[in-house]
Amino acid sequence: EADIYQTPRYLVIGTGKKITLECSQTMGHDKMYWYQQDPGMELHLIHYSYGVNSTEKGDLSSESTVSRIRTEHFPLTLESARPSHTSQYLCASSVLGGRSGGPPKETQYFGPGTRLLVL
Amino acid sequence: EDQVTQSPEALRLQEGESSSLNCSYTVSGLRGLFWYRQDPGKGPEFLFTLYSAGEEKEKERLKATLTKKESFLHITAPKPEDSATYLCAVQALTSYDKVIFGPGTSLSVIP
Repeated sequence: EADIYQTPRYLVIGTGKKITLECSQTMGHDKMYWYQQDPGMELHLIHYSYGVNSTEKGDLSSESTVSRIRTEHFPLTLESARPSHTSQYLCASSVLGGRSGGPPKETQYFGPGTRLLVL
Repeated sequence: EDQVTQSPEALRLQEGESSSLNCSYTVSGLRGLFWYRQDPGKGPEFLFTLYSAGEEKEKERLKATLTKKESFLHITAPKPEDSATYLCAVQALTSYDKVIFGPGTSLSVIP
């Protein structure tokens, strides 16, 4: 079982507030990701990181920012929450898994998610 | 453009009624194909990784297979606790960074 944690699990907040969603993993994985998922819809990558001091934007435009000061920690921040930010946010991390003689492969492990409601 | 589609969108089965879920993909070379299970309000739970055509993986009542263009998740004699959304995802050889997820198949197993 993957050891990746997200807090809070649920958050209801007013428009204009600054929020930080926490994600931590104890597996020593270098790569970490943030996805956004609306109910019944696909996961969309919003940020990822190769390791400490590395952050990259994903495919889905997002007004959030991330930081990676420690390997195990990858928080996501919204400076000014809006109702359009209402969604589920999923954090994931990956290990490089290789087969002998082949290129490295990756499997992503997910946290339980944070459900955000902005009023 | 790399793409993943899944069918059917939703599937209702009687307990014990075996069936298969389909994942079709278009990528410029496959690095890996992943199957996940997602329960409502939770994060996806990893099930399988498949790397090359002809490969098969099994776990309890689930069996995943892979061809050059699609993957199947076979569910044998399902139980109500198998009810969940099953997600397929692919990583292209040209992408060391990103995994593309399909929309999922919502499975309901009726007692």
